[in-house]
Parts: sequence; structure tokens; C-alpha cells
Amino acid sequence: ETGVTQSPTHLIKTRGQQVTLRCSSQSGHNTVSWYQQALGQGPQFIFQYYREEENGRGNFPPRFSGLQFPNYSSELNVNALELDDSALYLCASSHPTGQGALDTQYFGPGTRLTVL
Amino acid sequence: LAKTTQPISMDSYEGQEVNITCSHNNIATNDYITWYQQFPSQGPRFIIQGYKTKVTNEVASLFIPADRKSSTLSLPRVSLSDTAVYYCLVGDKPGGYNKLIFGAGTRLAVHP
Repeated sequence: ETGVTQSPTHLIKTRGQQVTLRCSSQSGHNTVSWYQQALGQGPQFIFQYYREEENGRGNFPPRFSGLQFPNYSSELNVNALELDDSALYLCASSHPTGQGALDTQYFGPGTRLTVL
Repeated sequence: LAKTTQPISMDSYEGQEVNITCSHNNIATNDYITWYQQFPSQGPRFIIQGYKTKVTNEVASLFIPADRKSSTLSLPRVSLSDTAVYYCLVGDKPGGYNKLIFGAGTRLAVHP
């Protein structure tokens, strides 16, 4: 069983550019969530995809968008990059249990994005 | 979603028991309490989750008093490899989706 993988590991972009980050979910997981983690802070929820549809969104502008594919892998796209977008971007996969408890999320190692 | 408050940092020594307390005064009836651990340059990792009383697994124990307004993560006999940031999270699954709200966490430093 493979864990959550993300690519690329590191990325450097300039202001105004666009970036696409990729995530492969853990085997058997149909839900993917994306988080942004600035240096020294906790991860902030961006959005979640369940069976290829956006299932919830945090307080991020529309230039943050995503996709989930039939194999449950996912992409995070960020347009018109700003300096404040520099952060570690984390992907987490989970499988809904339908119970009241929060589903355990399995995080990937993240993509470190630097915007110059 | 209930807000959580936990110490910014803690120090301990190898072999000691570490207790990290989290305050969540506005916890809702359906909320669960979950703890994650994060090492530098890695994604967070699930440690333990509970609703009330005490939960124990192979790595930690979670103590939740009857009023559920706080919780304590207990790490028995820590080692240097337990140096990490520990996050307390409170929430449920509104509309069926599983959003985790992280605070700043507690930075635990274990010394030899």
C-alpha cells in the first residue's frame, strides 16, 4: 500500500505566474484535501474533493482551484501568484467512514512553493 | 468549529512523561477531539482521537474530562524523536466533509 505522494518537492515561481501541484492519494481513499502552511503556522484548509467534485472550501480566493481525477489523484492550481503564496502545500487523503468521528487524514510530504 | 488554545512550546527530557493540555471552551455536542503530530518538512500525522473519557493507543493517551472543555494528550516516556509540533483539533463533519482546522500547535522539544 503506497502512501500519499506529492510533486514536485520544491518549486520556485515569480509573481503573476501560474502553478500546478499534484497529489496521488493513498490506495483506497476517494477524498483529497489541500492545505497551505506558511512558515511557523499550522496548515490552513483550502478545499476538499470527494469523487471528483469540490466538497468544501476554506477562505481562499477563486484563483486557488483544483481538480480530482477518476483515479482520485488531484491537482491544485494557483493563478496570478503573489508573494504571500509562498508556503508548504500539503495534500491529505482520507476515506469517509460515515461515522461522527473525523476521518483520519493521511498527509503527503508537501510541495514547498517559493514566489519571488 | 470550536477554537482551541494550547501552549506555544514545551520542553522535556528523554524518558519523561509529557502532558499537553488543550482548551476548547466552545466545543459542540457533536465535536470530536483529535491530535496530530508534525515533524519538520513533513505533513502532519494522526496520533489519537476521542469524544469523552479516556482513549489510549500504542503511542499516546487522550484524557477528556466530563465537561469536554479541555483535553490532555499524554506521551509516555518521550524520546528525542518525539520532538515535533503537536496540534489539537476539534470538530465534526458538517455536511459530511472533513475539514481540519489547525491552530499554531505546541512545539515540543525533547532534550537528552
